[in-house]
Amino acid sequence: GAGVSQTPSNKVTEKGKYVELRCDPISGHTALYWYRQSLGQGPEFLIYFQGTGAADDSGLPNDRFFAVRPEGSVSTLKIQRTERGDSAVYLCASSSAGGGTGANVLTFGAGSRLTVL
Amino acid sequence: GQSLEQPSEVTAVEGAIVQINCTYQTSGFYGLSWYQQHDGGAPTFLSYNALDGLEETGRFSSFLSRSDSYGYLLLQELQMKDSASYFCAVDPLYGQNFVFGPGTRLSVLP
Repeated sequence: GAGVSQTPSNKVTEKGKYVELRCDPISGHTALYWYRQSLGQGPEFLIYFQGTGAADDSGLPNDRFFAVRPEGSVSTLKIQRTERGDSAVYLCASSSAGGGTGANVLTFGAGSRLTVL
Repeated sequence: GQSLEQPSEVTAVEGAIVQINCTYQTSGFYGLSWYQQHDGGAPTFLSYNALDGLEETGRFSSFLSRSDSYGYLLLQELQMKDSASYFCAVDPLYGQNFVFGPGTRLSVLP
């Protein structure tokens, strides 16, 4: 597509529920990143994919968070047993380059705002 | 690891020039980038410095000094639409992630 698409744009759920957030990157972009952003803060790195594999998942806060990219395009961020502290905007970005290659320009989606009640 | 520091807020008037600073501690990086984010919007790429010195893109310029672990974004001829948050970010040599600073909220007054 022309840009990075994220769905849903807004998600309200109850504590303890499972949620999935989807990211459709720019066509042909091999690198895909997930970030989490709280109000007034900078984007916090969660996970980076190069193709189908997670090249760096060091930012995932705990084992309730998981992400996949089975065909090297669309990615899904999965959060189990949600907690109120998970409330944030989840941003996805893609790039034609990748981490560690220099001159890495990220194109972000508009984000998915998650609210856990 | 990497850490970046920015002032939390900057205020300026239309037509003025403003400089947003970024200091960092890192074990090595390819370059320093700047992103703009309007309220409720996505971060968008503004500028990138791989080498020391000044890079100019229209009204925006960015500067990097690796010896001083310092960079800045310079915005000239400020317009109301420049009111946004600005983030510096590094692409580390060791590691795949892309690390962002805490952001500086710029308010442009009439």
